[in-house]
Amino acid sequence: KAGVTQTPRYLIKTRGQQVTLSCSPISGHRSVSWYQQTPGQGLQFLFEYFSETQRNKGNFPGRFSGRQFSNSRSEMNVSTLELGDSALYLCASSLAGLAGKETQYFGPGTRLLVL
Amino acid sequence: DQQVKQNSPSLSVQEGRISILNCDYTNSMFDYFLWYKKYPAEGPTFLISISSIKDKNEDGRFTVFLNKSAKHLSLHIVPSQPGDSAVYFCAAYRPGNQFYFGTGTSLTVIP
Repeated sequence: KAGVTQTPRYLIKTRGQQVTLSCSPISGHRSVSWYQQTPGQGLQFLFEYFSETQRNKGNFPGRFSGRQFSNSRSEMNVSTLELGDSALYLCASSLAGLAGKETQYFGPGTRLLVL
Repeated sequence: DQQVKQNSPSLSVQEGRISILNCDYTNSMFDYFLWYKKYPAEGPTFLISISSIKDKNEDGRFTVFLNKSAKHLSLHIVPSQPGDSAVYFCAAYRPGNQFYFGTGTSLTVIP
């Protein structure tokens, strides 16, 4: 079974631009969660999507948004990029989602650098 | 507001000895705890979990201990092996909410 895939793996943008990251979950998984990892903050929860609906949201500004498609693939968008958005963005998939306390399977992440 | 804290950014242990990684949390609503291991250029992988109704869970060389009164979680690895060298994250789940992760502890097992 293929694991969670994320594209692109690396990205360089400049302040003010926007970016879209993609995540393909493990086949059959309906929940996709997104996390931001920075050295000082660890993994910070952005949001969870389940069956195309946002089910949970972390404490991030509205510049961070996401969506999920009918095939469970998910995209995350960050608009008006700031230097502080430089981070590793991880997505994780699971069968029934966070509410079921299920094991999350993480992708390798997208490394975003904002200049 | 960091609700899950790993106060040791790094730990070095000799091969064959015990590794003890610690995690503290502040929210008494957490009822499920996990440890993840992360190698460079890979995503975190699930290692072991424990429910708040238990105080210990064991899986091979890995044991997780939960002290609810102290709001403290620890992961013991015995014996430690060089392949265990990785960053370890603890995470806590708040029902109806989300998982909260610590900042990670980088473990180095010296051959």
